[in-house]
Amino acid sequence: QQQVKQSPQSLIVQKGGISIINCAYENTAFDYFPWYQQFPGKGPALLIAIRPDVSEKKEGRFTISFNKSAKQFSLHIMDSQPGDSATYFCAASEANNLFFGTGTRLTVIP
Amino acid sequence: ETGVTQSPTHLIKTRGQQVTLRCSSQSGHNTVSWYQQALGQGPQFIFQYYREEENGRGNFPPRFSGLQFPNYSSELNVNALELDDSALYLCASSFPSGGANVLTFGAGSRLTVL
Repeated sequence: QQQVKQSPQSLIVQKGGISIINCAYENTAFDYFPWYQQFPGKGPALLIAIRPDVSEKKEGRFTISFNKSAKQFSLHIMDSQPGDSATYFCAASEANNLFFGTGTRLTVIP
Repeated sequence: ETGVTQSPTHLIKTRGQQVTLRCSSQSGHNTVSWYQQALGQGPQFIFQYYREEENGRGNFPPRFSGLQFPNYSSELNVNALELDDSALYLCASSFPSGGANVLTFGAGSRLTVL
């Protein structure tokens, strides 16, 4: 059973465009929602995270939007760059366990 | 400040064998978690160690076991390897008292079981 559902599976965006990745969850006990970025041959790296008492968090070109009532959250990458091409994972945390989505492979075309 | 280092980076085993993977946590981190990442999937939580004790476990059978040492480094042991154990095994460390927040991942050990 997938605790965190992520879409789309892959995404192609033109340079300068906006990349949007969506995630949904059911477990209301989740209390921390990070996004990780993973390049080939590397481990995931924390990109940005949000707690459920906040509806939006922005760090540079990256923004998380969080809708607690809908149990959904999304990552927006503004002004997408070729260097952003990577696999992105949303995740949700309960106690010591971090549940990951299945990942979105983002390709930014120059 | 050193990051999380894992060894070996790649290894090949045959079904039924045993494997030990090693992890050195980031300086100052006292908690280590292990994840299994199958090809094209997100990482799945195996277990976490804090103060040398298992501090949470995911849905993995007992043939997956671990250790944490006084210097906070850790080992993942898998017995009776199965073909489905082929995956990237990720170690992540965190601070200060455990939990799943703010994990720093290593680059992983890619295990192939033939």
